[in-house]
Amino acid sequence: GAGVSQSPSNKVTEKGKDVELRCDPISGHTALYWYRQSLGQGLEFLIYFQGNSAPDKSGLPSDRFSAERTGGSVSTLTIQRTQQEDSAVYLCASSLSGTSAYNEQFFGPGTRLTVL
Amino acid sequence: AQSVTQPDIHITVSEGASLELRCNYSYGATPYLFWYVQSPGQGLQLLLKYFSGDTLVQGIKGFEAEFKRSQSSFNLRKPSVHWSDAAEYFCAVGLNTGGFKTIFGAGTRLFVKA
Repeated sequence: GAGVSQSPSNKVTEKGKDVELRCDPISGHTALYWYRQSLGQGLEFLIYFQGNSAPDKSGLPSDRFSAERTGGSVSTLTIQRTQQEDSAVYLCASSLSGTSAYNEQFFGPGTRLTVL
Repeated sequence: AQSVTQPDIHITVSEGASLELRCNYSYGATPYLFWYVQSPGQGLQLLLKYFSGDTLVQGIKGFEAEFKRSQSSFNLRKPSVHWSDAAEYFCAVGLNTGGFKTIFGAGTRLFVKA
């Protein structure tokens, strides 16, 4: 079966432009996570969706960042008015359920964002 | 605040030598602990996890980790490293905050020399 997919794999944009990053989770997984991985840094939690519950947005670094998940499946992370410090690899993960630690998170290959 | 510390940014070991990657966590309750590996050009893959019970857990690819509550540590070990083990390794702690969130360490990059 297919794993978590993300698109695009690479995105180069100019400072001030908006970007959209897409994540397709594994079919049937109710939990979806977004992380950011900057050079030399660990994974920084951004946002988490669990079923139809309100998302946990506690990791979003500013109001320029937003995410939605349509139909409990595909998710889009939007960054408005991009800044150079937004350059990073954005990783998406999904799990069967986000309410238990027993459910392993499966990661996508990531989107490398470069803001010039 | 919950945190995960991996004190070694990078480690170099010879092929065939033993390996230990350190991880310390800060979390008030019983932790859920994980080790992930990220190979070049690959996504993150779960190596092993600890929830409860036996404090020595076995994972894939010959890795194991030992949970030591008294030291707040969850170090990753492998008795004999292979060149294909060169990768970045992340320790993580799972938090149950109504939903389930994972906090990752900054990672340790492993280099393997022939």
